[in-house]
Amino acid sequence: GEDVEQSLFLSVREGDSSVINCTYTDSSSTYLYWYKQEPGAGLQLLTYIFSNMDMKQDQRLTVLLNKKDKHLSLRIADTQTGDSAIYFCAELRQGAQKLVFGQGTRLTINP
Amino acid sequence: NAGVTQTPKFRILKIGQSMTLQCTQDMNHNYMYWYRQDPGMGLKLIYYSVGAGITDKGEVPNGYNVSRSTTEDFPLRLELAAPSQTSVYFCASSSGGLEKLFFGSGTQLSVL
Repeated sequence: GEDVEQSLFLSVREGDSSVINCTYTDSSSTYLYWYKQEPGAGLQLLTYIFSNMDMKQDQRLTVLLNKKDKHLSLRIADTQTGDSAIYFCAELRQGAQKLVFGQGTRLTINP
Repeated sequence: NAGVTQTPKFRILKIGQSMTLQCTQDMNHNYMYWYRQDPGMGLKLIYYSVGAGITDKGEVPNGYNVSRSTTEDFPLRLELAAPSQTSVYFCASSSGGLEKLFFGSGTQLSVL
């Protein structure tokens, strides 16, 4: 199938960790990405992971990749109000040179 | 450094009208893309270009046209606007394919 699936909404308390999940379908994907979209702005590349990696950490961000289950997650530690945004996962399908996006997860931070 | 600039930010069209969405980038990127984002959906590729004078169709090209006369500019043309074209349109560019895209801030288009 074509779909990259994400849940549409996530709400967390300030200071807690946020975990945003994504499932994809194509085992030939070479790169998997997380993009962040703040209100009124375009998508900004947040981080990415190459398909031969299981984990990537970048400051407060941790990306986990489970290739067997085709599952990608983004963990944001110590979530802050500035993390409020829509987060898109995307897979780069090598053969078709095609970037397939999920629907986006809207992260809301509660005080 | 401006990056990818899109104009206008908002536009309302009547059915059957035409318009051009402008996109320009100042990073000397060869690759440029147009996506549309419908509510609750991921981005869908409309058209792309791998260099000046070269364009190709993406997943959802019907109802749109593009041109790439310069490296910097990649306008998207709607000839006969339809309500199904109500969406948010994003232009993006990269130096080498889809590995790292830089996005503009989007154009919100409503066709009524």
